[in-house]
Amino acid sequence: DVKVTQSSRYLVKRTGEKVFLECVQDMDHENMFWYRQDPGLGLRLIYFSYDVKMKEKGDIPEGYSVSREKKERFSLILESASTNQTSMYLCASSLVPGELFFGEGSRLTVL
Amino acid sequence: AQSVTQPDIHITVSEGASLELRCNYSYGATPYLFWYVQSPGQGLQLLLKYFSGDTLVQGIKGFEAEFKRSQSSFNLRKPSVHWSDAAEYFCAVGGNAGKSTFGDGTTLTVKP
Repeated sequence: DVKVTQSSRYLVKRTGEKVFLECVQDMDHENMFWYRQDPGLGLRLIYFSYDVKMKEKGDIPEGYSVSREKKERFSLILESASTNQTSMYLCASSLVPGELFFGEGSRLTVL
Repeated sequence: AQSVTQPDIHITVSEGASLELRCNYSYGATPYLFWYVQSPGQGLQLLLKYFSGDTLVQGIKGFEAEFKRSQSSFNLRKPSVHWSDAAEYFCAVGGNAGKSTFGDGTTLTVKP
């Protein structure tokens, strides 16, 4: 089975802090994604990556950056966290377009 | 542009009753279609997928879905719902460049 592991299930950070959310997949998938999920807004794509060192903006990239130095790892970075970035963050990987394997999620609270 | 509509925000069924969750999509070509399930506080899990071929697809946990091109629908069904099926269900279409479009989700409540 594909396993996607997000390093932190729950994080509490202060406004202005730099935040790293890490995601690792073990199935050699080319594609990796970061979504955020908020009540009433559904899943929104932040960034995705097709290959090492490649990244593409999703629908809401503002305030975020990503890093993919190794195929199995895709990191989401909040350079200066703000309260409106309090959310559930979901990482996913895929080999086939649309067939996503998700991690358990990281719930971030920014105070 | 591709889109997915799940008309029902919330559905309540009794345990043992049948279930149908609706999904309509808009996509220019033959779509890749998916259903995911999400338990509270968890990530999404793939229930089933349609790429081509037989329009009735079977998934995990006893779920099935039927692709109807003429109606642009991909409804999820289960003959007999269990209390553990209570969750949020998302329909999705896999589109260009690997980007997926998700519906807003349907929350399923199961009455004992």
